[in-house]
Amino acid sequence: GAGVSQSPSNKVTEKGKDVELRCDPISGHTALYWYRQSLGQGLEFLIYFQGNSAPDKSGLPSDRFSAERTGGSVSTLTIQRTQQEDSAVYLCASSLRLAGDAGELFFGEGSRLTVL
Amino acid sequence: AQRVTQPEKLLSVFKGAPVELKCNYSYSGSPELFWYVQYSRQRLQLLLRHISRESIKGFTADLNKGETSFHLKKPFAQEEDSAMYYCALAPNTGKLIFGQGTTLQVKP
Repeated sequence: GAGVSQSPSNKVTEKGKDVELRCDPISGHTALYWYRQSLGQGLEFLIYFQGNSAPDKSGLPSDRFSAERTGGSVSTLTIQRTQQEDSAVYLCASSLRLAGDAGELFFGEGSRLTVL
Repeated sequence: AQRVTQPEKLLSVFKGAPVELKCNYSYSGSPELFWYVQYSRQRLQLLLRHISRESIKGFTADLNKGETSFHLKKPFAQEEDSAMYYCALAPNTGKLIFGQGTTLQVKP
């Protein structure tokens, strides 16, 4: 079927507003990752989910960022009280297994967030 | 600290010239290393992984533990190789750590 699907593809918001970004992983993939891609910063790890284990939230930049994964499938990344520095492309990826097992990550097309 | 460093933001070469995209890593354990590529208007995708010891699209990468490097090489660059390249480290914690990326520009 389809690859990793992300929505919206583009989001323009005003500073201080909350945004939600959605990721629909490849069916059967147990691991799901969120990364942030910005100029000069490369790909910054945010959070990952693996099955029913507690998520690794070590990359979330502040408590304004949160993510959940419902039913082991769809994930939502929420950014509260957005700031201009949050402007970036948010990439979601899924994998059959953990990256430590040298599994391949499959990426979505990303959600471009612009905070005015 | 676990870190991946790609010292060049931009590498510009002429078609047919050799290419080497540099990657250095910092990790005390046995590393799993990858190169990912993002072509214009396409998704980020896996190019190659060091455990496979494979050549993809003419690219190879050798892990040098002594120099903690995993440089990506191609003997003769093609225009279609123009893309953003990311080196990545899997430190056995589940997450993949990426470098800052290098834009490869192959001029005709």
